[in-house]
Amino acid sequence: EVQLLESGGGLVQRGGSLRLSCAASGFAFSSYAMRWVRQAPGKGLEWVSAISASGGSTYYVDSVKGRFTISRDNSKSTLFLQMSSLRVEDTAVYYCAKRGDPLYFDYWGQGTLVTVSS
Amino acid sequence: QTVVTQEPSFSVSPGGTVTLTCGLNSGSVSTSYYPSWYQQTPGQAPRTLIYNTNTRSSGVPDRFSGSILGNKAALTITGAQADDESDYYCVLYLGSGISVFGGGTKLTVL
Repeated sequence: EVQLLESGGGLVQRGGSLRLSCAASGFAFSSYAMRWVRQAPGKGLEWVSAISASGGSTYYVDSVKGRFTISRDNSKSTLFLQMSSLRVEDTAVYYCAKRGDPLYFDYWGQGTLVTVSS
Repeated sequence: QTVVTQEPSFSVSPGGTVTLTCGLNSGSVSTSYYPSWYQQTPGQAPRTLIYNTNTRSSGVPDRFSGSILGNKAALTITGAQADDESDYYCVLYLGSGISVFGGGTKLTVL
């Protein structure tokens, strides 16, 4: 059974940093690209970032470029999102998702809440 | 900037049929965008319904179907049930590793 378990969310001040983790199990983690998707309170889903299976390629939505870094540790089946220079508008539930073929999100974690205070 | 458009809300009667659409502000949606659809109820993670335009995810009832209608991707629910009342999101793949979500459609069954 595929499981994705996010952690690391919490309350942080504007301008601060936070590192999210997503522990994966039930599939060959190192063979699949992964994504982060977020949802601000009462708003829709937003694709944030993606990383290739090897970690060699990374992609970001324009609003987080230069502030967020996606990475992965394939030896530990874990995905990360390092967030810095956080803004109030980064407040959201952050979901990690596994990439299915072709090019969709086939499994989702339950999400972790990040709250950025002013 | 590419914007993926969806109807903000839609209503369907129990047992009825509804088609939600997913468009692009900059042109037509085709299968090359690998449209996918997700269902979300409040407080829950999204659930994958349809991928690659018209392939149902494992365990999804066949009353959910995907297609291209005109210049948009479409999700059709046939024989709507009360527990289909949810938010529905489409996603389009734009290339270069980037995907974009539509704004979502809030479906009411009444």
